[in-house]
Formats: sequence, C-alpha cells, structure tokens
Amino acid sequence: AQTVTQSQPEMSVQEAETVTLSCTYDTSESNYYLFWYKQPPSRQMILVIRQEAYKQQNATENRFSVNFQKAAKSFSLKISDSQLGDTSMYFCAFVNAGGTSYGKLTFGQGTILTVHP
Amino acid sequence: DTEVTQTPKHLVMGMTNKKSLKCEQHMGHRAMYWYKQKAKKPPELMFVYSYEKLSINESVPSRFSPECPNSSLLNLHLHALQPEDSALYLCASSQESAQGTIGRYEQYFGPGTRLTVT
Repeated sequence: AQTVTQSQPEMSVQEAETVTLSCTYDTSESNYYLFWYKQPPSRQMILVIRQEAYKQQNATENRFSVNFQKAAKSFSLKISDSQLGDTSMYFCAFVNAGGTSYGKLTFGQGTILTVHP
Repeated sequence: DTEVTQTPKHLVMGMTNKKSLKCEQHMGHRAMYWYKQKAKKPPELMFVYSYEKLSINESVPSRFSPECPNSSLLNLHLHALQPEDSALYLCASSQESAQGTIGRYEQYFGPGTRLTVT
C-alpha cells in the first residue's frame, strides 16, 4: 500500500516571497504519477502540477515548480512570488500507474498555506 | 474546457429523506469518481465508474447509491443518511487513455455539494 506524508499542517508566507511545501511518499511501485492539488476556501480542488515518475526533469507551471527526488521519495512544491490567491489547502497525491483499474489517488493530509499581505 | 459541474451546491436533508446529487462533465472523460471530504481532511474515494460501469466501490454503506446514466452524467442517490454523513461530496472525472499514460490518472474535480444531515 502507498502512503503520502505532508509533514507541515500549516504554513504562512508573505506576499511576493517563496515558500516550499514538503511531501514524501512510500511505494514499492516503479510506475506512478504525483500531483499537487490546491483547495481554496471556495472548496474546488484544482490541479496545480503533475510529475511523471519516469521523468527526471522537474515539472514547472508558471510560479509553481516541484523538486522531485525519486530515490528519496520526495516531491516538494515551490511557490514563487506568492500571491494572496495562493491561500489554500494543498494536497500532495500519488497514483500507481501499473494497475488495471482507473487511478485511485492516495492523498496526503494536506498543508494549509496562508499568504499574508 | 476543463469543467465539472455539481448540483446542488448545498443540501440539507433529514435522516428519513431521499435526495440525489448530480455531477456533469463535457470533456469526453470516461471515468468518473465520487469522493467524500470532511473539513480539513483529504478526500476519501467512494466510487469509480469506468465507461458507465461501476469499477470500484470502497465499501460504502448502501444508503449511498451511485448511478451513471451516460458518459457525461453521474448521480449519487442518498437515503436514510446519518448525521456523520454530513460532508463535502466531490465529483471528479478523468480521460480514457492507455494504461500508464497520465490522462488516465489526472482527475478534474467539481466544486462539490455541501451536505448537512439533520
């Protein structure tokens, strides 16, 4: 069974600064995907960024980037130039791509990020 | 257009009521999901439909009954719920694509229905 751990229940950052959210996972699988989702107070889960385990290059989406360390099973999210709209709960998620059924996402417990003006 | 819609946004129901939640997507996705989420917790998977057939049921009580009438629509029928069933119910969808390719696993979520059972 897979587990995903987000060790920071809450974090805060000043507007325009950079913040890094940590995520570690445990799996014996070799073919998998990792995601970061954000859930603002408005509650809709929004996909922020994705990483294929077979790709060594770290994914980047505008101000969001990841540091994917496969050997260490670490998948941290870096938010640059933080904006007030980044205030959200952030979930790290893992999915095994080797199974025959559609993906069952395993979520971490989440990190509440607050961006202060 | 990556949009999943859910109705209603809010629902209050008594323990003897019967109600339904509705989810709709027009992205051509062939997998659809129901999740239950408690406050400040991650979503918990309830059901997965693949090509309108139930493929995963995570041992959900029978008072929750899913239905997938067509590839765009997913319903969750509720009957005789308990107060502990109060939660945010999220719907999600993903593409039909070859096993191992990311489209199969990348899920897009709707805004959810906030359910309160009194």
